[in-house]
Amino acid sequence: KQEVTQIPAALSVPEGENLVLNCSFTDSAIYNLQWFRQDPGKGLTSLLLIQSSQREQTSGRLNASLDKSSGRSTLYIAASQPGDSATYLCAVSPLTQGGSEKLVFGKGTKLTVNP
Amino acid sequence: DAGITQSPRYKITETGRQVTLMCHQTWSHSYMFWYRQDLGHGLRLIYYSAAADITDKGEVPDGYVVSRSKTENFPLTLESATRSQTSVYFCASSRAGANEQFFGPGTRLTVL
Repeated sequence: KQEVTQIPAALSVPEGENLVLNCSFTDSAIYNLQWFRQDPGKGLTSLLLIQSSQREQTSGRLNASLDKSSGRSTLYIAASQPGDSATYLCAVSPLTQGGSEKLVFGKGTKLTVNP
Repeated sequence: DAGITQSPRYKITETGRQVTLMCHQTWSHSYMFWYRQDLGHGLRLIYYSAAADITDKGEVPDGYVVSRSKTENFPLTLESATRSQTSVYFCASSRAGANEQFFGPGTRLTVL
């Protein structure tokens, strides 16, 4: 059974710092990996989608990498801002669970960027 | 430009009552999903649908019923609500083929 782990559960950094959020998954047989952002009391916003054949994706100050063989992904946030404060969730679409559309989520990393 | 909407946004009900949570998307996405989010468990898939009239169980389907008579709607019914079903429920949709999932704003359900 695919399991997704995100460590640390919470992270607090000063504004302007570059930071890395980590995601690991137990089964490398995946279609893709998605990073989401969730603000308190809100739904999930898709940040980046990395297909299994890709190594990384970039959007603005965000860069996500994927190392499928080691079961790891990182989300790099450059020059962090207080507005980046949110919970970041990683999710994989497993090959072995009968369809490419289902997602298995980690429990998230709660990021606080202090002014 | 509505995207994906959920109603109600907040609901309080009592044990044993039937509750229906609504989800509507305007993108004509073929896939729709229902998740619940709980502290300590994260997001877990309840049911999903690949197209109208096609539904399948996810990780935690017990106590829930879904239907999908139209592509744009995917209601989730709790036939006899229990306290353990107190949670935040999210609906999501995606195109076929392992594409991005897009989430609604959620429904916070409290079962007393």
